[in-house]
Amino acid sequence: SQQGEEDPQALSIQEGENATMNCSYKTSINNLQWYRQNSGRGLVHLILIRSNEREKHSGRLRVTLDTSKKSSSLLITASRAADTASYFCATDAITGGYNKLIFGAGTRLAVHP
Amino acid sequence: GAVVSQHPSWVICKSGTSVKIECRSLDFQATTMFWYRQFPKQSLMLMATSNEGSKATYEQGVEKDKFLINHASLTLSTLTVTSAHPEDSSFYICSAREVPGQGKEQFFGPGTRLTVL
Repeated sequence: SQQGEEDPQALSIQEGENATMNCSYKTSINNLQWYRQNSGRGLVHLILIRSNEREKHSGRLRVTLDTSKKSSSLLITASRAADTASYFCATDAITGGYNKLIFGAGTRLAVHP
Repeated sequence: GAVVSQHPSWVICKSGTSVKIECRSLDFQATTMFWYRQFPKQSLMLMATSNEGSKATYEQGVEKDKFLINHASLTLSTLTVTSAHPEDSSFYICSAREVPGQGKEQFFGPGTRLTVL
């Protein structure tokens, strides 16, 4: 089962522009994580934000978390063509007695040179 | 960081045959392992969760008799797709946690692409 929705489903921008992706979820969480996936490849872990954190930075990435709205956003600043990939949020929560990561639907980002 | 490997990275098989995919945690002991499936241009869907030495817990809608999971040791889990059909063609990704509990990162394998002819 999927935890929630991501928007937009697809995003097309020019190099140098910022890209913002949003994620909404349904249940209480321990943390929220963002992953990147190049076409046909495995996942790359980008950043983890805990439920008691509101904002986190890592290089050109900025993640926010609003637990009252059950939403998160990922901002990629000064995008590059190499940032072209699918981006997924994943919520870490206890369900069925286990901590599990449940993924959102993902945003396909295309950065054009 | 912790490394999770999968073998094979890709496999092509005939309809009706069974395929086994291995997932190994190379530098840590994985008390819990997860199996996900990803269809083209879609997200990862959790199929099942397994703890070492116990039966796997399957998500709703996943046939446990078709997708056999064995977590025989703290470093190895296997997924066997039994009597595979073309609709089972997908990207299968395993993941592992070192210890159960909050705030622990899940480490992902590189995935196995299964094509059933």
